[in-house]
Amino acid sequence: DSGVTQTPKHLITATGQRVTLRCSPRSGDLSVYWYQQSLDQGLQFLIQYYNGEERAKGNILERFSAQQFPDLHSELNLSSLELGDSALYFCASSRGGGVYDEQFFGPGTRLTVL
Amino acid sequence: DAKTTQPPSMDCAEGRAANLPCNHSTISGNEYVYWYRQIHSQGPQYIIHGLKNNETNEMASLIITEDRKSSTLILPHATLRDTAVYYCIVRGVNDMRFGAGTRLTVKP
Repeated sequence: DSGVTQTPKHLITATGQRVTLRCSPRSGDLSVYWYQQSLDQGLQFLIQYYNGEERAKGNILERFSAQQFPDLHSELNLSSLELGDSALYFCASSRGGGVYDEQFFGPGTRLTVL
Repeated sequence: DAKTTQPPSMDCAEGRAANLPCNHSTISGNEYVYWYRQIHSQGPQYIIHGLKNNETNEMASLIITEDRKSSTLILPHATLRDTAVYYCIVRGVNDMRFGAGTRLTVKP
């Protein structure tokens, strides 16, 4: 158990819909990262927040957005969903935001778009 | 695109050392080499990281060549529970790019 929690565990929705994935980092961690893992693309970095501010952006689509709240939990919003958005979405957290910091991954949310 | 190249799969006998290679010929001076593993569809688990010196912890050893263009992760006594996909990652200031990884199968 990494100490990172993600809800929900599974999510099934239809194309065109919008969903919100939630992540609570380990106690004391200031950074939250979001990753997408699909069968054909592997594990891809989406976005990082550090203490409420966006720190780095990866391959995140414009239909996707994220935020980190004052209590440091984070939400990933996915809108206008397409079949290709079906994937495992992982959240990770780290103490700081730099290259020295080990990232601890949550158990993931499995999103299925029908 | 990932900055690393790893063999897609490897086998190892239980109890023997597993040596997983990684090429990162375009690594720059301030980039670290990280290793993570993923068992089934669980969240990736941190193993070890290093800059230029060899590193060892309770899970594994990391050997980085002097020119830093390649590295080897060593699991000294592989067990069946070490069967997983192992990712070698070159990490810059912010991003962490996972490649396809090596699927290690430990066999009895």
